[in-house]
Amino acid sequence: DTAVSQTPKYLVTQMGNDKSIKCEQNLGHDTMYWYKQDSKKFLKIMFSYNNKELIINETVPNRFSPKSPDKAHLNLHINSLELGDSAVYFCASSLPRLRGETQYFGPGTRLLVL
Amino acid sequence: AQKITQTQPGMFVQEKEAVTLDCTYDTSDPSYGLFWYKQPSSGEMIFLIYQGSYDQQNATEGRYSLNFQKARKSANLVISASQLGDSAMYFCAMREARSGSARQLTFGSGTQLTVLP
Repeated sequence: DTAVSQTPKYLVTQMGNDKSIKCEQNLGHDTMYWYKQDSKKFLKIMFSYNNKELIINETVPNRFSPKSPDKAHLNLHINSLELGDSAVYFCASSLPRLRGETQYFGPGTRLLVL
Repeated sequence: AQKITQTQPGMFVQEKEAVTLDCTYDTSDPSYGLFWYKQPSSGEMIFLIYQGSYDQQNATEGRYSLNFQKARKSANLVISASQLGDSAMYFCAMREARSGSARQLTFGSGTQLTVLP
């Protein structure tokens, strides 16, 4: 199936640990994104990558680092996890000139930091 | 100031009735795109409909239509013939051309729609 996929779907870990979330899209899109959805369901952009180049980086702690090995993958690595990092993290992708660059989302990764 | 405002935290509608979910936006950019997404209780984000700022006609996708009133800066989602499966959180979002290569979406706070049998 063509889609945006994320692994893992659930991630439970201890404070201070380092973890990674993987994202892959096989839609042929050239821009990928990471969003964070907090406990109040508010969605906020974290990063986006276009042609393997980081093009935005909002006020995100530098403990978060996106890594893109190729155009189809954008992984999110988080160092020294904190309680406040508990959230749902969504990966998305888009293509210029396709429906106003509609972003298609992955299923989300539910991160719980204990 | 909030760029996307959804004033209805929760809405109820009877099955088979139509419902309108409100969204107003704030931008000085002449070129922008407006989007609606659905998030059911299972958590995924599902794209529903897109409206470009230069589009002359309101967008429609099956039972979904977007009531675009540019002068009022509103982009309300209309769902016709509601079904039980429409119960979900609905998000309005905007992408401004000024974001350049960033292409980020700015989301509203969402409206939780419940369809009653």
